[in-house]
Amino acid sequence: DIVMTQSPDSLAVSLGERATINCKSSQSVLYSSNKKDSLAWYQQKPGQPPKLLIYWASTRESGVPDRFSGSGSGTDFTLTISSLQAEDVAVYYCQQYFSAPYTFGQGTKLEIK
Amino acid sequence: EVQLVESGGVLVQPGGSLRLSCAGSGFPFRNYWMHWVRQAPGKGLEWLSFINNDGSRTTHADSVKGRFTISRDNAKNTLYLQMNSLRAEDTAVYYCARSVVGNDYWGQGTLVTVSS
Repeated sequence: DIVMTQSPDSLAVSLGERATINCKSSQSVLYSSNKKDSLAWYQQKPGQPPKLLIYWASTRESGVPDRFSGSGSGTDFTLTISSLQAEDVAVYYCQQYFSAPYTFGQGTKLEIK
Repeated sequence: EVQLVESGGVLVQPGGSLRLSCAGSGFPFRNYWMHWVRQAPGKGLEWLSFINNDGSRTTHADSVKGRFTISRDNAKNTLYLQMNSLRAEDTAVYYCARSVVGNDYWGQGTLVTVSS
């Protein structure tokens, strides 16, 4: 099974500042057919289901603000929020969809400093 | 509008059984792979099961393998999760989710509580 490890577990950032969350997979999640990494990022607010933000490691889902960006390749990935807004307070998860079981990271709780 | 609505979550005793349902609407249900994901109280997301579009292929996490079974009825636009031999650690909100690349639509979840 592919193990997904996020860092940090929690993060406090001032409004308007950059937030960076890391995700490391225990093995490559590169899909050979399109040379893209099978890595998604989700945002979950209290009492709500997760919301897909990013897929293929860097492709923003329709309707997601452009302050959210994904980067990385191979086994190391990053979610960046360029200018933190109050509504971005949430828990963020990465997930690999390369091979079953389609494992999630443990989550990173993002708060306002 | 794409909608996924889970149902069937209740309080059940350890060792009991339960079947969850997830009704899809607003999209061609039979064309999509579907998943079950759960979240224990105050914990993170745990992927459980996947089924391909015609139901010919399924996979389950080791934590539920042999106890839970995913299935679907495309004529009824409904996804199911049969849960047997339930344990206290199965207490969670259970979500169904559609996948294309990543899970793009999720239901609101249904709470399963396993307790005597």
